[in-house]
Amino acid sequence: QSVLTQPPSVSGAPGQRVTISCTGSSSNIGAGYDVHWYQQLPGTAPKLLIYGNANRPSGVPDRFSGSKSGTSASLAITGLQAEDEADYYCQSYDSSLSGYVVFGGGTKLTVL
Amino acid sequence: QVQLQESGPGLVKPSQTLSLTCTVSGGSISSGDYYWSWIRQPPGKGLEWIGYIYYSGSTYYNPSLKSRVTISVGTSKNQFSLKLSSVTAADTAVYSCARGEIGLPPRMDVWGQGTTVTVSS
Repeated sequence: QSVLTQPPSVSGAPGQRVTISCTGSSSNIGAGYDVHWYQQLPGTAPKLLIYGNANRPSGVPDRFSGSKSGTSASLAITGLQAEDEADYYCQSYDSSLSGYVVFGGGTKLTVL
Repeated sequence: QVQLQESGPGLVKPSQTLSLTCTVSGGSISSGDYYWSWIRQPPGKGLEWIGYIYYSGSTYYNPSLKSRVTISVGTSKNQFSLKLSSVTAADTAVYSCARGEIGLPPRMDVWGQGTTVTVSS
């Protein structure tokens, strides 16, 4: 089981808005560590989508946004497009066991 | 721009040691701004952080793999390597190297394409 919990799947129609949650605990997200989000298109390497909870790297459309509150973080995608169909992973840091990087289990986004 | 490329055997026998190398081009491992990471993804499953190394040689490992993992800088200054000992079928995965900008956690902004390693006799 992943330290960070994500829903296995979400779906939405083109043009709609979807959100993906990432739930942690007091030893990771709740401790103030940053959350990053990655998009993995089928058969490709993950791509950094959101960093530092809410920042977009150059080239990432503003349809993608991130937020963090308490022990959870969320990724929102507005104006859903067919090309957004992918797996999405959150990442943070956990201070237990002398500290280590943790990923969520991943969420499969299906564009209906 | 910086590119990373993994290389190594695609098939490893159970109980043996998996060895992979990541070659960095367009940049230097000696930059103090980054950690150099290994991540793996078993078939049909999610991402698992293995560990990372800083240019000084400092290493940080996933506690669940720590007893079997060694990450080191290669003889070529723009390579770093992964060794995972006593492998089993559960270590079958796509192994990727990535550059992580320093932070907690490091944000991995450049990834290699990944290499598939199968553990089988």
